[in-house]
Amino acid sequence: DAGVTQTPRHEVAEKGQTIILKCEPVSGHNDLFWYRQTKIQGLELLSYFRSKSLMEDGGAFKDRFKAEMLNSSFSTLKIQPTEPKDSAVYLCASSRDWGYEQYFGPGTRLTVL
Amino acid sequence: GNSVTQMQGQVTLSEEEFLFINCTYSTTGYPTLFWYVQYPGEGPQLLLKVTTANNKGSSRGFEATYDKGTTSFHLQKASVQESDSAVYYCVLGDLYDSGYNKLTFGKGTVLLVSP
Repeated sequence: DAGVTQTPRHEVAEKGQTIILKCEPVSGHNDLFWYRQTKIQGLELLSYFRSKSLMEDGGAFKDRFKAEMLNSSFSTLKIQPTEPKDSAVYLCASSRDWGYEQYFGPGTRLTVL
Repeated sequence: GNSVTQMQGQVTLSEEEFLFINCTYSTTGYPTLFWYVQYPGEGPQLLLKVTTANNKGSSRGFEATYDKGTTSFHLQKASVQESDSAVYYCVLGDLYDSGYNKLTFGKGTVLLVSP
């Protein structure tokens, strides 16, 4: 099986731009997660979907971050408008079901100038 | 809420030395504990998993034992190799209290192994 795919691998944006990050989970997985990874904060959960339904929309990230799951094999994370503090690695992960391990993609490194 | 503490930010060893990474956790739920490893340019990947039922896990020469009394979940390896250089995350999975397998990650420990 193919692993979790994320595109693009690198993104550079100007402050105020809108960017969309994409994720394809492992085929057949029901749960999908978006995380942000920084050196200071480590890994922080942004959003969680179960069978395409949004189950958790991480509090502090609500106002400019929006994750969507258009079908069971594709998800997007939109950041609008971007700010320099959004510079980080954005990771997507999927899991077969409740209680199973999460499989992570390679991440998208976002730099906001 | 749940929390995971990894006090060691970085561990530097030579090949064939013994590895010990300290991890303690706090939860009011029913934990499953994981160690994830992250190599440069990749996402974290599962190294091993331990539940309250089996309390010990091992994989690729790494071992971890869950101790409910001290709420610890330390990672050990008898003899490290240069290829083990990576970031190691202690992770708490709360499978019941929050209704799904929400993971709480420690800050990570960078392991550097020199030949």
